[in-house]
Amino acid sequence: QVQLQESGPGLVKASETLSLTCSVSGGSIGNYYWSWIRQPPGKGLEYLGRVYYNGSSNYNPSLKSRVTISVDTSKKQFSLKLSSVTAADTAVYFCARVPSGSLTFDYWGQGTLVTVSS
Amino acid sequence: QSALTQPASVSGSPGQSITISCTGTTSDVGSYNLVSWFQQHPGKAPKLMIYEDYKRPSWVSNRFSGSKSGNTASLTISGLQAEDAADYYCCSYAGSYWVFGGGTKLTVL
Repeated sequence: QVQLQESGPGLVKASETLSLTCSVSGGSIGNYYWSWIRQPPGKGLEYLGRVYYNGSSNYNPSLKSRVTISVDTSKKQFSLKLSSVTAADTAVYFCARVPSGSLTFDYWGQGTLVTVSS
Repeated sequence: QSALTQPASVSGSPGQSITISCTGTTSDVGSYNLVSWFQQHPGKAPKLMIYEDYKRPSWVSNRFSGSKSGNTASLTISGLQAEDAADYYCCSYAGSYWVFGGGTKLTVL
């Protein structure tokens, strides 16, 4: 059974960079896309971006200039960096797996709340 | 890019059927057979219920079904049960990224 687990600081100061890591267990990291999705408190889901196991990445056009997603296959981890954060970036951040054949989010981490403080 | 349009809420009694709509555009829902539906209970991660417009993962009951016509996708839940009460989100691939709907709160009366 594939499991994903997010980790990282729960509090980030405004204008700084948010950094999170997702650890993958119970399955291969190869031949999949790995993505980040967030959900502001009481609101809907927003796709942030994805990285392929070979390192190629793609981002939500509305956030492209601030988002970087990378992968470390040796550690079975992938990471999110979101720069110049503001209060609007306060959200639960989820990592998720995307099978390249079906292009959906089939397994999700439990999510981690990141609060941006002023 | 704009979010997909879902009704804010729907409700039904146990045993009944309900349908949640999800309207997009020719750039997303109408261009790809890649609409997914997710169920989310409070404080939990979303759970995949439907993918590729109508396919069910092995862990999903056949009471859940998906369909699509043009730019509008639909999720139907038959034989409503109390545990179906949750938020439901549609999602469509849009060429190089995904776009989500705003979510629909299902109340089981």
